[in-house]
Amino acid sequence: EAGVAQSPRYKIIEKRQSVAFWCNPISGHATLYWYQQILGQGPKLLIQFQNNGVVDDSQLPKDRFSAERLKGVDSTLKIQPAKLEDSAVYLCASGQDTPPSYEQYFGPGTRLTVT
Amino acid sequence: SQQGEEDPQALSIQEGENATMNCSYKTSINNLQWYRQNSGRGLVHLILIRSNEREKHSGRLRVTLDTSKKSSSLLITASRAADTASYFCATDGDTGFQKLVFGTGTRLLVSP
Repeated sequence: EAGVAQSPRYKIIEKRQSVAFWCNPISGHATLYWYQQILGQGPKLLIQFQNNGVVDDSQLPKDRFSAERLKGVDSTLKIQPAKLEDSAVYLCASGQDTPPSYEQYFGPGTRLTVT
Repeated sequence: SQQGEEDPQALSIQEGENATMNCSYKTSINNLQWYRQNSGRGLVHLILIRSNEREKHSGRLRVTLDTSKKSSSLLITASRAADTASYFCATDGDTGFQKLVFGTGTRLLVSP
C-alpha cells in the first residue's frame, strides 16, 4: 500500500514570501491532518479534515495559513506571508478514523526554512 | 499546546538493555498512542492502548496505562541500535474525532 505523499520535501523562502505544500493521503482514508513540528517539539495539529470538510482548525493561524482539501482527497496547505517562526517541518497524516484502528499514517514531511 | 509530557527528555543506553519512558497527560482520554520518529522512516505508529486497558504488548514493546494518574509508560526490551529515535505519546483528549495531541518526546539513543 502506498504511503502518504508530500511535496516538496524541502523549501527555503524569505520572510513575507508565500509557500504551498501538497499532500496525497492513503487511498480510502477519509481523515487528513496537517501538523506543524518545530525542532525539539512534538507535532502540533493545525487542521483536520473529514472528507473535504474541516473538523478542527482551532490552532491554525488563519491570518496567514490556509488549507483546502478538494474532492476529499489531496490537500494543500498555504502560508502567506511567512514569518521566521514558521520554520518547521510540516507533516501530513491520514487515517481511517474508525474503530478499532485510530492510528494515523504520516508522510515524510516538508522542512520549511524561513530566512 | 502539548497535552503530554514525556520523561525523561533524553535517554542513552547500551544495546540489549531495556528502555523505559513515561508520559503524563492532562485531560480524560479514549485512547493513548505511542509513535516513533527517526530520520529514516519519519513518524510511525507503534501501539494504541484504550482507556479501559491497563497493559498491552506488541513484540518487544510493553505499554501500561494508569488513567487515575493520567500516565502511561512505554518499555522497550532488549533494545537495538535501530531503536534509536524520538518517542512520542499522543492522546485523543476524549474528543469525538481523532484529534491527537502529542507530547514533547523522549530522545532515545541506543549504542552498540
